[in-house]
Amino acid sequence: GEDVEQSLFLSVREGDSSVINCTYTDSSSTYLYWYKQEPGAGLQLLTYIFSNMDMKQDQRLTVLLNKKDKHLSLRIADTQTGDSAIYFCAERIWGSSNTGKLIFGQGTTLQVKP
Amino acid sequence: GAVVSQHPSWVICKSGTSVKIECRSLDFQATTMFWYRQFPKQSLMLMATSNEGSKATYEQGVEKDKFLINHASLTLSTLTVTSAHPEDSSFYICSASVTVSSNYGYTFGSGTRLTVV
Repeated sequence: GEDVEQSLFLSVREGDSSVINCTYTDSSSTYLYWYKQEPGAGLQLLTYIFSNMDMKQDQRLTVLLNKKDKHLSLRIADTQTGDSAIYFCAERIWGSSNTGKLIFGQGTTLQVKP
Repeated sequence: GAVVSQHPSWVICKSGTSVKIECRSLDFQATTMFWYRQFPKQSLMLMATSNEGSKATYEQGVEKDKFLINHASLTLSTLTVTSAHPEDSSFYICSASVTVSSNYGYTFGSGTRLTVV
């Protein structure tokens, strides 16, 4: 089945690290993504990880993938107030028409307090 | 590169009328486009996948006659909400599949807020 689960809310203080967690069910996922959405806006790709990788780091962002447990996490170091947004994880799966499509989690609202 | 322009960004229409949303790829050819719907504080739900020159593939539970998708060229896909009702009010987002892009795989439009009154 196709299901992606996230915790709904996370609150941190400015300067702390944020860790957003995600679980997925489809073991055939090839790529997993993290997107950021600010109010009333579209989606901004933050980072992605290929399914044969365990970790990927990009500046303040660290993605950890535990393929055995189908668990994905996004760590934001030195969280800033500008990081306040909704964060979506998504898995890329292959549809019946052999077209890759994204299945999204419910989104985690990150609140950063000054 | 790989920019998708979505218009309009918001629209208010009367119940019973139809609304067309456009999604254009500005600097690349989009063979495949996706249409998503997002309710407030909820996730993006895939409605359909459209391939240029062929009929769209709709997800289970999405009414084909209600949400008409046309992907007649490699740079334009449209979603028409026919006979709109208040329950169709939502945020609609398009996405294009790209093979060479800093967005690696997908690029998204900025979304259209539809309000049916």
